[in-house]
Amino acid sequence: ETGVTQTPRHLVMGMTNKKSLKCEQHLGHNAMYWYKQSAKKPLELMFVYNFKEQTENNSVPSRFSPECPNSSHLFLHLHTLQPEDSALYLCASSPLTGGRGNEQFFGPGTRLTVL
Amino acid sequence: AQSVTQPDIHITVSEGASLELRCNYSYGATPYLFWYVQSPGQGLQLLLKYFSGDTLVQGIKGFEAEFKRSQSSFNLRKPSVHWSDAAEYFCAVGRSSGGSYIPTFGRGTSLIVHP
Repeated sequence: ETGVTQTPRHLVMGMTNKKSLKCEQHLGHNAMYWYKQSAKKPLELMFVYNFKEQTENNSVPSRFSPECPNSSHLFLHLHTLQPEDSALYLCASSPLTGGRGNEQFFGPGTRLTVL
Repeated sequence: AQSVTQPDIHITVSEGASLELRCNYSYGATPYLFWYVQSPGQGLQLLLKYFSGDTLVQGIKGFEAEFKRSQSSFNLRKPSVHWSDAAEYFCAVGRSSGGSYIPTFGRGTSLIVHP
């Protein structure tokens, strides 16, 4: 498996459920990101992890809880979500070499529907 | 704070016609600029990027973009569009964070290609 993978690809959950999204990158990168993509809105950066440490949390509600156990894996734990949280959740990774060519590589996303 | 404006929500072109997608940015320093493409059901893929040097940047799939500092623009072009180019296109300006450049995305332009 190469690149950035995300599971599940589709998820339907009720507002009282607890679920987790998983992201795995096979690129040897040290930075990982969660984005939310809603219809008619720009991509919203949620969290940034550098070398497993969270470096950014962009005012994300506590019902979203990220976890980064190592540089290759990133999770987003979900609980007590609201219907407006329905969106495509994208994971990305990038190298941290200090150079300016550090583009992000994206996974295919998890399409989340909250009922 | 940095920002990106993509003034066209939708663009419709005929297959074989030329294409130009507009992007204007706001950033206080030398911008790091990106164009990404997103096909239906997929994550984002980098088409090209500009950091410095030649203001005309070549990318994948026959795309190019020109950085014009005086106009704060980074428009994407392709001389002859193929049906497979139908997708969502995102312009982004990068901000430095740790060892990487995290993009701030525009709202995207949806490209429709007629046969």
